[in-house]
Amino acid sequence: SQQGEEDPQALSIQEGENATMNCSYKTSINNLQWYRQNSGRGLVHLILIRSNEREKHSGRLRVTLDTSKKSSSLLITASRAADTASYFCATVDAGGTSYGKLTFGQGTILTVHP
Amino acid sequence: EAQVTQNPRYLITVTGKKLTVTCSQNMNHEYMSWYRQDPGLGLRQIYYSMNVEVTDKGDVPEGYKVSRKEKRNFPLILESPSPNQTSLYFCASSLLAGKGEQYFGPGTRLTVT
Repeated sequence: SQQGEEDPQALSIQEGENATMNCSYKTSINNLQWYRQNSGRGLVHLILIRSNEREKHSGRLRVTLDTSKKSSSLLITASRAADTASYFCATVDAGGTSYGKLTFGQGTILTVHP
Repeated sequence: EAQVTQNPRYLITVTGKKLTVTCSQNMNHEYMSWYRQDPGLGLRQIYYSMNVEVTDKGDVPEGYKVSRKEKRNFPLILESPSPNQTSLYFCASSLLAGKGEQYFGPGTRLTVT
């Protein structure tokens, strides 16, 4: 079942602008991950944030996690045309019963115009 | 280079003709998994494996089989494919279940007519 709801479904910006994508989920989680997918290709892991973390950075990426609201956001700063892709959040449930399963959101399609 | 490979990348077949999609990883990962991706439904887990000879169903296992005889390989078997199995399939692996990032293969686009 799909747990995550991502917002917006599509985002169109100019190069140099920042892009923010949001993800909500329903269960208690062990961690939340963000992935990028270029059209029809494999998913590439971007960043993982654990349930006891609130913010994490990796290069131009900043991820926040609010477990009380069951939500996360991904910020891409100074976007480039090469950032054009679909972005997915995925959660791993807490409690050890999900056996590592990633539950994906529906994704945000980001288009960065040169 | 650390990677997950899948073969074939593209496959068109007919209803009922058994097929196997291979998946191999060279990272000595214990955990492997299969997902399918469909428009409007996103990515859903089909089967997973915690280690050699340990496999279990994911969210959408009907019509699929898997095996894990070696640590590096995790083939997906469709014994009698049907058109509703037309999809984009991804194999993924991680060092341990649920503990870190999953590495995804490039995908196999399957069409069943």
